Amino acid sequence: NAGVTQTPKFQVLKTGQSMTLQCAQDMNHEYMSWYRQDPGMGLRLIHYSVGAGITDQGEVPNGYNVSRSTTEDFPLRLLSAAPSQTSVYFCASSEDRGDYNEQFFGPGTRLTVL
Amino acid sequence: SQQGEEDPQALSIQEGENATMNCSYKTSINNLQWYRQNSGRGLVHLILIRSNEREKHSGRLRVTLDTSKKSSSLLITASRAADTASYFCATARLRDDKIIFGKGTRLHILP
Repeated sequence: NAGVTQTPKFQVLKTGQSMTLQCAQDMNHEYMSWYRQDPGMGLRLIHYSVGAGITDQGEVPNGYNVSRSTTEDFPLRLLSAAPSQTSVYFCASSEDRGDYNEQFFGPGTRLTVL
Repeated sequence: SQQGEEDPQALSIQEGENATMNCSYKTSINNLQWYRQNSGRGLVHLILIRSNEREKHSGRLRVTLDTSKKSSSLLITASRAADTASYFCATARLRDDKIIFGKGTRLHILP
């Protein structure tokens, strides 16, 4: 199993550009989520999904869109990039089995917005 | 606002000593998890403790959970240089299944 994969690993955008960060998992996990990590802030939840066709907002959803058309994929879209979105983005997945949900993380995407 | 808050923010100890980190949270949870992150890398799951458990062990790790105080502690015994990393607690909230992380504790093991 490849686990959780993310592409690209690095990206530089100009203010106002849009892009999609890709996330895929091959473990048939129902629960997937996106976090951003900034220095001194830990990880903050952007959006999450408990299954295909179902998404919900996390702590910091503004400026980001998600969709979940399949169990495997959970892309994160930046609609109009801003310097405040410079961060490291992590995708994670877990089984949705009630009270047991260890998360598996991807390697991260380092995004810089100029 | 973030659900979990780790304490201390940073900790330096001598190799071989024990390291203790604490986590406090705000709302009712299904479980609490601890993760490790080495510099520049992704997060690795260490241990999960359910809301009806009070203590759990895994190798050199010991986790306690006090739901009445909404707090948890992670103890790493006989620390090694390889334990140098950031440690995060994450809580799975009961009301909406969100998994929320704290800001982390940076642990540095001195040789």
